[in-house]
Amino acid sequence: AQSVSQHNHHVILSEAASLELGCNYSYGGTVNLFWYVQYPGQHLQLLLKYFSGDPLVKGIKGFEAEFIKSKFSFNLRKPSVQWSDTAEYFCAVNVAGSYQLTFGKGTKLSVIP
Amino acid sequence: DGGITQSPKYLFRKEGQNVTLSCEQNLNHDAMYWYRQDPGQGLRLIYYSQIVNDFQKGDIAEGYSVSREKKESFPLTVTSAQKNPTAFYLCATRSDSHNEQFFGPGTRLTVL
Repeated sequence: AQSVSQHNHHVILSEAASLELGCNYSYGGTVNLFWYVQYPGQHLQLLLKYFSGDPLVKGIKGFEAEFIKSKFSFNLRKPSVQWSDTAEYFCAVNVAGSYQLTFGKGTKLSVIP
Repeated sequence: DGGITQSPKYLFRKEGQNVTLSCEQNLNHDAMYWYRQDPGQGLRLIYYSQIVNDFQKGDIAEGYSVSREKKESFPLTVTSAQKNPTAFYLCATRSDSHNEQFFGPGTRLTVL
């Protein structure tokens, strides 16, 4: 069974700092990759997804992620964070053709004004 | 996610009682899911259903049961056999056309 690792449990940044959240998965076949975000008190929502094509994927609110197949990684980036980015971020993997998503344990991001 | 309703938002039960969490959707999605979210554990799959009258166990199905009698509804019962039921429960649906999951607002269950 596939697994997803998120390297950081809690990240604290000042506004305007750059962000990179790590995500690695363990599955050798074709996968679909997702980043979800959970803002305080809100629904879990999709930030971005990768199925195929350009490995650099752009999502909402200025986020992007890069799929590096050789490293089994799908790291999330944002050049300049805002206080409103304070949330918990989840990486998820779906084996192509499967109905199931496997989630990482999440990374809490706190942005200090 | 606006098309998925979970009720109630907060639920309190005494130990030993079964409790049923509601999940309703108007997105016309075939697949529905139940996850459990615990601090530092991410989301773990309890059960999922690809189509009406069919469902499969996820990674942590023990102590839970589901039914899927209608496309719109996928209730989850937390039974007294679930050893640690206090958690945040999330229901989701899956869009076939976009292969992504949409989540409801969740129900926070506290067993006293």
